[in-house]
Amino acid sequence: QKEVEQNSGPLSVPEGAIASLNCTYSDRGSQSFFWYRQYSGKSPELIMFIYSNGDKEDGRFTAQLNKASQYVSLLIRDSQPSDSATYLCAVKGPRAGTALIFGKGTTLSVSS
Amino acid sequence: DTAVSQTPKYLVTQMGNDKSIKCEQNLGHDTMYWYKQDSKKFLKIMFSYNNKELIINETVPNRFSPKSPDKAHLNLHINSLELGDSAVYFCASSHDRGIVTGELFFGEGSRLTVL
Repeated sequence: QKEVEQNSGPLSVPEGAIASLNCTYSDRGSQSFFWYRQYSGKSPELIMFIYSNGDKEDGRFTAQLNKASQYVSLLIRDSQPSDSATYLCAVKGPRAGTALIFGKGTTLSVSS
Repeated sequence: DTAVSQTPKYLVTQMGNDKSIKCEQNLGHDTMYWYKQDSKKFLKIMFSYNNKELIINETVPNRFSPKSPDKAHLNLHINSLELGDSAVYFCASSHDRGIVTGELFFGEGSRLTVL
């Protein structure tokens, strides 16, 4: 059973701090890794994707991938109250036609 | 223009009834999906179609039957609804470039409540 694990939280950080969200996955052949943000009552929206080992930065967001450790993380710098949401890690397996497998999400709360 | 649209957004029905949810995407994607999100926010894949062909069929009761009349449309019909079917059902689409897939674009979700 392919799995994606996340700490459900809640993760609470003060405004302006760095929020660190972590995810591990079981399928060593996984190729694509995604972070989605979901506000309550809304649909998931893509924040970042990463395919290669290392860091990928986009504005206040940095995704980190370590395939040897089967670990993906998302750092949010200068956290804002508007970042308060559930963050979903998603992983795609190695074969064409496989769907994204999602973790159960980490709830982030940023206090002002 | 809404990229992935689902109807209806809300469904309230009695146990034992049959209901359908419709999904349409105007992104030109070749792969469409149904995901179920339970009350604990866990998003689980149910089905996937690529160019009208069923390619993923997870362990879902056969009361659930997807249909894709063309690659822009994917419908979900549910027979004999049960209390445990209450959830938000998300339609999504992607341009699947083989091993490295494109991102999923989600519809707004259809919240099904079975009484």
